[in-house]
Amino acid sequence: ILNVEQSPQSLHVQEGDSTNFTCSFPSSNFYALHWYRWETAKSPEALFVMTLNGDEKKKGRISATLNTKEGYSYLYIKGSQPEDSATYLCASLSGGYNKLIFGAGTRLAVHP
Amino acid sequence: EAQVTQNPRYLITVTGKKLTVTCSQNMNHEYMSWYRQDPGLGLRQIYYSMNVEVTDKGDVPEGYKVSRKEKRNFPLILESPSPNQTSLYFCASSPTAAGEAFFGQGTRLTVV
Repeated sequence: ILNVEQSPQSLHVQEGDSTNFTCSFPSSNFYALHWYRWETAKSPEALFVMTLNGDEKKKGRISATLNTKEGYSYLYIKGSQPEDSATYLCASLSGGYNKLIFGAGTRLAVHP
Repeated sequence: EAQVTQNPRYLITVTGKKLTVTCSQNMNHEYMSWYRQDPGLGLRQIYYSMNVEVTDKGDVPEGYKVSRKEKRNFPLILESPSPNQTSLYFCASSPTAAGEAFFGQGTRLTVV
């Protein structure tokens, strides 16, 4: 099993703070990196699918970067809002494999 | 509306009583998979299917069976459930293994 690690495990920030989390994954045979947002009592929803080294994607106040050579991705949230409170999951797909390997997630709580 | 539908949402059953959790998608996706989510762990893949009649084991397949007789349906079968299969289960579909995954609403299973 290829390990995908996320840090921190949980994070508490104040409304308006900017924050970021890390996803590390095996860099050999890298194929794709996914980020999902998972709100309590709901299903995970895709934020980004990234494949190219140096890629940067943005959706509103949330952005992500990818470094496939060293095997990490950062997710940034600018000006956190209470509605950003969720667990953020990353998942890696390696070439030659047909399955996404998920990290344990970073649980974000944004306090008003 | 594009969606993945799982049933039931909640299920309490007894050890050894066979059960099936259904999953259906209406997006004509080739790839479908089943995950379980346990506290402190990431989503772990149970089984996946690349296409009709093509299924393969994920990381935690023991005690589960699947079938893919039609493209839209991917049921998860527990022939003889045990308490260690108490978990939150998600079905997901995507155009390919690397594509954005769409998740069902989840099934919370308790085996007593």
